[in-house]
Amino acid sequence: AQTVTQSQPEMSVQEAETVTLSCTYDTSENNYYLFWYKQPPSRQMILVIRQEAYKQQNATENRFSVNFQKAAKSFSLKISDSQLGDTAMYFCAFMKHSGGSNYKLTFGKGTLLTVNP
Amino acid sequence: GAVVSQHPSRVICKSGTSVKIECRSLDFQATTMFWYRQFPKQSLMLMATSNEGSKATYEQGVEKDKFLINHASLTLSTLTVTSAHPEDSSFYICSVWGPYEQYFGPGTRLTVT
Repeated sequence: AQTVTQSQPEMSVQEAETVTLSCTYDTSENNYYLFWYKQPPSRQMILVIRQEAYKQQNATENRFSVNFQKAAKSFSLKISDSQLGDTAMYFCAFMKHSGGSNYKLTFGKGTLLTVNP
Repeated sequence: GAVVSQHPSRVICKSGTSVKIECRSLDFQATTMFWYRQFPKQSLMLMATSNEGSKATYEQGVEKDKFLINHASLTLSTLTVTSAHPEDSSFYICSVWGPYEQYFGPGTRLTVT
């Protein structure tokens, strides 16, 4: 079974600064996907970024980037130029690349990020 | 990406009654949907995987007779909480497996009094 660990229950950052959220995972799979989801106070889950394990290049989406270290099973999220709207719970998630209908996500416990003005 | 709706967004019911939550995929034919439960300040817990036209697959520890799931069409899955009790009060979220990711509904807050 896969496990996802987010060791930072809460973090805070000043507006316009950079913050990194950590995530480690444990799996025996070789092909898989990793995700960061954001859940703002509205509680709507929003995909922030996705990484395919077979890709060595780190994924980037505007101000969001990841540091994917496959051997270390580490998948951290860097948020640059933090904005007040980035305040949310952030969940790291793992999914096997198994095909068929078994696209289940395994979530970490989450990190509550607060961006301060 | 897929747009997913849930209805109702909030529901209050009395203990012992049943309540149905709908999850609709508005612009995508979803063969697979997921149902999650989320307690305050906690992560999402997968309850079951719903496949169109077949029985749902429940996660260990989830009572299938209490949480009835029906996925009768490619755009609609329903979760019925039967004989609800106060401990069933929670936030329920559905998602749709679309290409490359899961798309989430806005959630339903259930309160059982």
